[in-house]
Amino acid sequence: QMQLQESGPGLVKPSETLSLTCTVSGASGSFRSYYWSWIRQPPGKGLEWIGYIYHSGSTMNNPSLKSRVTMSIDTSKNQFSLKLSFVTAADTAIYYCARQTVGAYGSNLFFDSWGQGTLVTVSS
Amino acid sequence: EIVMTQSPATLSVSPGERATLSCRASQSVSANLAWYQQKPGQAPRLLIYGASTRATGIPGGFSGSGSGTEFTLTISSLQSEDFAVYYCQQYNKWPSTFGQGTKLEI
Repeated sequence: QMQLQESGPGLVKPSETLSLTCTVSGASGSFRSYYWSWIRQPPGKGLEWIGYIYHSGSTMNNPSLKSRVTMSIDTSKNQFSLKLSFVTAADTAIYYCARQTVGAYGSNLFFDSWGQGTLVTVSS
Repeated sequence: EIVMTQSPATLSVSPGERATLSCRASQSVSANLAWYQQKPGQAPRLLIYGASTRATGIPGGFSGSGSGTEFTLTISSLQSEDFAVYYCQQYNKWPSTFGQGTKLEI
């Protein structure tokens, strides 16, 4: 059974870079068949899609985060990573990694598997 | 971006009763809509995609309907484990966006 697990620091200082990694286990050959996404949820609030990466390394980010997002992928380890630069208190959230189904013509669809999430707090 | 609006924000229902949750899109998303359930301290779980197709392992008591801008999630007979927050998500147009959630409480 496929599982996703986020890892990374739980505390980041303002203006620094948040770095998280998601490890996918039990994916077999499906790692190359999906988009791998990051989604966040500020405490007590709703969900915001951050972006996705494909096994080829192509990415798509939410324009609300402008150019602060960088994603990378290591297909040999079934891992993908997120970097969010110049963080502020508004970036405090639970960060989830998730598998996103690829639709016709490469469209990004729904999220059918999620990690348990990791809380990242931005504070000095 | 497409704004998804869910109503009501909180819905109080008794166990065994039927619950109807609504989701409205600011422009048409065709049938490219998903529903998720989130319990406290847990990640969201996919319930419905394509507006009406149940995800793998989801009980038949959950059903979705609608297309265009108006969507509904119906839970036919509420069990104690169904009390949670429910989110809709459109994936018709980039960037994908979520509603603010409906809390289903006893």
